[in-house]
Amino acid sequence: EAGVVQSPRYKIIEKKQPVAFWCNPISGHNTLYWYLQNLGQGPELLIRYENEEAVDDSQLPKDRFSAERLKGVDSTLKIQPAELGDSAVYLCASSRNYNSPLHFGNGTRLTVT
Amino acid sequence: DAKTTQPTSMDCAEGRAANLPCNHSTISGNEYVYWYRQIHSQGPQYIIHGLKNNETNEMASLIITEDRKSSTLILPHATLRDTAVYYCIVRVEDNDMRFGAGTRLTVKP
Repeated sequence: EAGVVQSPRYKIIEKKQPVAFWCNPISGHNTLYWYLQNLGQGPELLIRYENEEAVDDSQLPKDRFSAERLKGVDSTLKIQPAELGDSAVYLCASSRNYNSPLHFGNGTRLTVT
Repeated sequence: DAKTTQPTSMDCAEGRAANLPCNHSTISGNEYVYWYRQIHSQGPQYIIHGLKNNETNEMASLIITEDRKSSTLILPHATLRDTAVYYCIVRVEDNDMRFGAGTRLTVKP
């Protein structure tokens, strides 16, 4: 099966600019996750979707971050405006259901200058 | 979910077995032990998980002690491509997968 696809692979922006990341999960996977990973640390959960519904967004900084999963398939994560501290790798993962193993994409590495 | 403790780093000789330990002394009866690994510049990759019994698949073996307070991930014949950060996660069903800092395994020729 094709894996989780994320784009872009790398993104460099100036602070205060907007940025968006895209994720295409594995076909048939109902659960989708966005994680943030800082250098030298493990991934941290930002938001989880069950189909098109965001069921856990407690860790998402809602003042500048937003996410959507239209039609319960692809998802986008947006930051507006970006800050220097947002520089990190943004990982998308999907699973067949909530209790199935997660499959991760290779992430988008964001650098905010 | 229970907290896990893993060594920060480990080395292993190529072709030998890599044994990665994980302590989870506060694990409860309904919590599973999961292992993922992350190779440089890639997303984490699922390896194996178990509840009570030892588990084996094509990638690795998971040995869980009888009291479930610790576990060991075994890579039977480590290769250079097994160099990665290995995450041990304890998780109860219907909870999120939360990652710690993991163990950085370096396989040396």
